[in-house]
Amino acid sequence: NAGVTQTPKFRVLKTGQSMTLLCAQDMNHEYMYWYRQDPGMGLRLIHYSVGEGTTAKGEVPDGYNVSRLKKQNFLLGLESAAPSQTSVYFCASSYPRTSGGPYNEQFFGPGTRLTVL
Amino acid sequence: EDQVTQSPEALRLQEGESSSLNCSYTVSGLRGLFWYRQDPGKGPEFLFTLYSAGEEKEKERLKATLTKKESFLHITAPKPEDSATYLCAVQVSENIRTYKYIFGTGTRLKVLA
Repeated sequence: NAGVTQTPKFRVLKTGQSMTLLCAQDMNHEYMYWYRQDPGMGLRLIHYSVGEGTTAKGEVPDGYNVSRLKKQNFLLGLESAAPSQTSVYFCASSYPRTSGGPYNEQFFGPGTRLTVL
Repeated sequence: EDQVTQSPEALRLQEGESSSLNCSYTVSGLRGLFWYRQDPGKGPEFLFTLYSAGEEKEKERLKATLTKKESFLHITAPKPEDSATYLCAVQVSENIRTYKYIFGTGTRLKVLA
C-alpha cells in the first residue's frame, strides 16, 4: 500500500497564479484533511472532509477551496496565490469515529512545499 | 480559547540520557490527545493516542502519559535514531459533525552519539 500520496512535491508560483494540490489515499479512509505547516505555528487545519462529496472549513480556510469527488482523492485549490500562502502543505486521512467511540489517528502524506513569489 | 503548548522547543540529549517532553493543553472538551513523530522533510507519523487522565502507553523507548492538564512523552535511554520533532495534538468536538484538531508547535529532539 502506498498510503497517502501528494502531488506535486514542490512548486513555485507567482502571485495571482492558481494551482491544485492532489492528495490520494489507498486505505479506504472516510475522513481526509488538508493542513499547512509554518515555522513556529505548528500544523493548522485548512479544510477537511468526512466523506465523499462533503467538505468543511477548518481553522484557516480563506484563500483555499477543496473538493472530494471520489473517496480516495482530496483536492486543494488556490485560486489566486499570495505570498502568505508560502508553506508546506500536508494531506492526511483517517478512519471515521464510530458513534460514541474514540477518534482515530491520522496518516499523513509526505507534503508539498509551495513557494509563492 | 483552546490552546496546546509544547515544551521545551528544543532538546539535546546524550545517547542514553533519559528525559521527558511536555504537552500542556487548555481545551473545552478533550476527546483525545495524540503524539506524532516528524522527521525532516516528511509528514508526521503516529505514535500514541490517549483518551483519559491516568492512561499510559508504551512503544520501545517511548512512554506517553496523560493528566487532566498535560501529557508527557518520556524517552528512556534514547538513541540517535530517536532524533526528530515530536508533535502533540488534541482533538476537541463540539458535536458529532464538527471537528477541531489542534497541534502544538513541537519539540525538536536531538540525540547525540
